[in-house]
Amino acid sequence: SYELTQPPSVSVSPGQTARITCSGDALPIQFASWHQQKPGQAPVMVIYKDSERPSGIPERFSGSSSGTTVTLTISGVQAEDEADYYCQSRDSSGSYEVFGGGTKLTVL
Amino acid sequence: EGHLVESGGGLVKPGGSLTLSCAASGFTFINAWMSWVRQAPGKGLEWVGRIKSKSDGGTADYAAFVKGRFTVSRDDSKNTLYLQMNSLKPEDTAVYYCSSGYWGQGTLVTVSS
Repeated sequence: SYELTQPPSVSVSPGQTARITCSGDALPIQFASWHQQKPGQAPVMVIYKDSERPSGIPERFSGSSSGTTVTLTISGVQAEDEADYYCQSRDSSGSYEVFGGGTKLTVL
Repeated sequence: EGHLVESGGGLVKPGGSLTLSCAASGFTFINAWMSWVRQAPGKGLEWVGRIKSKSDGGTADYAAFVKGRFTVSRDDSKNTLYLQMNSLKPEDTAVYYCSSGYWGQGTLVTVSS
């Protein structure tokens, strides 16, 4: 079965830049989205179609894609950005969706 | 902005059935591909299944673990998504979310005797 691979954890100090990667064989041909989940809350989509930002999402959130890896970048990290982040995409056929295992972002 | 509200969760015995609903508003539901995603306690997000818009065929796809036990359907006249779950197992215990990019608040399903 198709898998997306994320690092389990990323730590940054406030004001620094956090980068969270997601790797998968089908990412060159399938868009990815990113979802933020804070403890006890439902997820919120912060990036879709690799790099598009939904309305209401701060500009410090951006996404990029290169080959089999997509990256979520959070510039000028704030304490409120501490959360779990999940990438989501589809397999090469486009039939099946999959989530990465999630990355816990810690703001030191 | 889109708004999704799930309902129908609860406690069910192993082998039992449950139907979840997801009421949508604030976006064009009829054109949306809709998914069910679950999250077991302390675990990550897990895709359950997705139904395409009727204009894109209206077909549903499922994660391998579903194995014919779950059915995703939609009623575009009611802007509502459904998840029919049969032959439930303890490992199906999770918060179930509907999603279109927007997310609902989730509904808890507990499978236990």
